[in-house]
Amino acid sequence: QKEVEQNSGPLSVPEGAIASLNCTYSDRGSQSFFWYRQYSGKSPELIMFIYSNGDKEDGRFTAQLNKASQYVSLLIRDSQPSDSATYLCAVNRPGSSNTGKLIFGQGTTLQVKP
Amino acid sequence: DAGITQSPRHKVTETGTPVTLRCHQTENHRYMYWYRQDPGHGLRLIHYSYGVKDTDKGEVSDGYSVSRSKTEDFLLTLESATSSQTSVYFCAGGGHTDTQYFGPGTRLTVL
Repeated sequence: QKEVEQNSGPLSVPEGAIASLNCTYSDRGSQSFFWYRQYSGKSPELIMFIYSNGDKEDGRFTAQLNKASQYVSLLIRDSQPSDSATYLCAVNRPGSSNTGKLIFGQGTTLQVKP
Repeated sequence: DAGITQSPRHKVTETGTPVTLRCHQTENHRYMYWYRQDPGHGLRLIHYSYGVKDTDKGEVSDGYSVSRSKTEDFLLTLESATSSQTSVYFCAGGGHTDTQYFGPGTRLTVL
């Protein structure tokens, strides 16, 4: 079992729809959860972080965390073609709190079609 | 993050030669990291630093060494490059919140 799992996709949604990206993690000790967006040929860009169970909203993005189910998701409302990218889920490595050691999933490719 | 730069951005080298990649940051990040990104493997941590002259290994450290003589600079050295080290290398910086910010990357090809 991978430590952080994501469906590689591609996930295809029409413009204006809600895109739902999912991530599961294996270690219950993880406390910090991140979503990065990576355009082709570019570096990962932080878009959301969440530490507590529940929802966290930032503009069109909502991160959802359920520690009991070891599940974190990212919702993108009103998807735009410019949202087409690979989305990386990252989780802190338990036992390395405050050192920033993260475990990354392999990413989900999102395609938003006009 | 414009506060993290990497040099060179592209490099082609031959097997067996030493290679040094440089990461420079102006954000006063305490922690710095070197990753490689390969298809099918995602981002993998090579080495990280938690302060000047304080470094530790990541999950794929064999064949790599690092040095951090001042806060701003974190160097990654391939002592004797191999074709398996052909990859895209990313430097990242961060603080105590676990949040990391990435540099633009270096594409390295070992022939």
